[in-house]
Amino acid sequence: DAMVIQNPRYQVTQFGKPVTLSCSQTLNHNVMYWYQQKSSQAPKLLFHYYDKDFNNEADTPDNFQSRRPNTSFCFLDIRSPGLGDAAMYLCATSRVTSVGETQYFGPGTRLLVL
Amino acid sequence: AQSVSQHNHHVILSEAASLELGCNYSYGGTVNLFWYVQYPGQHLQLLLKYFSGDPLVKGIKGFEAEFIKSKFSFNLRKPSVQWSDTAEYFCAIEGRSGGYQKVTFGIGTKLQVIP
Repeated sequence: DAMVIQNPRYQVTQFGKPVTLSCSQTLNHNVMYWYQQKSSQAPKLLFHYYDKDFNNEADTPDNFQSRRPNTSFCFLDIRSPGLGDAAMYLCATSRVTSVGETQYFGPGTRLLVL
Repeated sequence: AQSVSQHNHHVILSEAASLELGCNYSYGGTVNLFWYVQYPGQHLQLLLKYFSGDPLVKGIKGFEAEFIKSKFSFNLRKPSVQWSDTAEYFCAIEGRSGGYQKVTFGIGTKLQVIP
C-alpha cells in the first residue's frame, strides 16, 4: 500500500538527453514537492505545487521543469541533463493544515548521467 | 532565510549506548520541527515532529526530541540504541517563507550502531 510512488527507481540517461521522472500519490494531498539530494548533502527543494500553483525555488536551474496534470501525478523533466545533475530525486507530498504539514516521501529515483 | 545545522555528521555507537543528535536552527518566526530517518535502501520516514504544546516530543521506536526555544535547538535522543537504528537522520524545520510553508533540511547524521 505504497502512498508515494516514484518511477523508475533508477534511471540512466546520456549527457544532454531529456529525461522525465514521475511521481504519483494515493494520499490525495494538495502539495507535491521535488527535491534533489546528492551524496552527503541535505535534500534540496527544487519546486513544489500547492494544488495547481507552481512555485519554483530561486536557485533551481532552468533546465528543470515540472508538470502536475492532476492531484495524483507530478513529473520532473530535465531538459538537458549534465553530469552535475546525477543525484537522487525525491518526491514528497503533504496536506497543509492550519498548524503545519507533514511531508511523506517516495523512495526516490536515482539518476545517472553518462 | 531559514537554516538547519546538524553538528555530528557521522556517529558510531555500540548497542545499548545512549544517543543524542544535535540540531540547531535559524529562523526569525514560528517554526515546526521534524526529525526524519532514512534506513539503508529505504525512503525518508517521519520519526517525530513538533508543532506546538509539550516541547518534549515522543516518536516511533523509542526516540524523543526536546524543543528548547531559547537555544533554537531540537535534539534527538534515545536512551538505548539498537543495531536496527543504523540509518541517516535528518533534522528539518518548516517556517513561513514568501507565503508558502517551506521545509529546510539539515545535512543529515549517519548513525552506525555496532552489535
